[in-house]
Amino acid sequence: DQQVKQNSPSLSVQEGRISILNCDYTNSMFDYFLWYKKYPAEGPTFLISISSIKDKNEDGRFTVFLNKSAKHLSLHIVPSQPGDSAVYFCAASARFRGSTLGRLYFGRGTQLTVWP
Amino acid sequence: DVKVTQSSRYLVKRTGEKVFLECVQDMDHENMFWYRQDPGLGLRLIYFSYDVKMKEKGDIPEGYSVSREKKERFSLILESASTNQTSMYLCASTETDTQYFGPGTRLTVL
Repeated sequence: DQQVKQNSPSLSVQEGRISILNCDYTNSMFDYFLWYKKYPAEGPTFLISISSIKDKNEDGRFTVFLNKSAKHLSLHIVPSQPGDSAVYFCAASARFRGSTLGRLYFGRGTQLTVWP
Repeated sequence: DVKVTQSSRYLVKRTGEKVFLECVQDMDHENMFWYRQDPGLGLRLIYFSYDVKMKEKGDIPEGYSVSREKKERFSLILESASTNQTSMYLCASTETDTQYFGPGTRLTVL
């Protein structure tokens, strides 16, 4: 049973607009969340993360929002650029041994296409 | 910069062959992982290791084994390759707050 779900397999956005990618999780033990970006034939690249003690984390054009009561997080990209076109994976983890990141549970990914 | 390297980017093998996929990280990380990625299925965890000589099964370990003789090296072994093991294989290692991935090995089993 999937513990992390990305219900939209694809998203198409015009350049300059906002991209919003969504992710839901079921396990209330998850306390750390990450977003990765993946181009074809390459390994995933870490984008941004958020701890469950926060509800928002920002890094340049990327912002992640966490709604713990709804078990929902979202990644906002503003403004979107053609180079952002990639598959985006949401991942969740429960802290291992109190601090070290344990195994990650991944969603199935959302293909983002940003068109000019 | 954290570096995770994988021995091959592309590999073609025949059904029944024994296949070794090697992964090396240069950051003294304790935790290492092997995933496979298939279209529409995301990243699925095969095996992971929290220390040398230690291994734990992930979600899809059938048909695979692993070896971790040294801290920096984590090997994935396909004992007898089958066509349904054609996939992109990704190795990762974990720092306190982030998991870093290698470039991946695209394995085709004919």
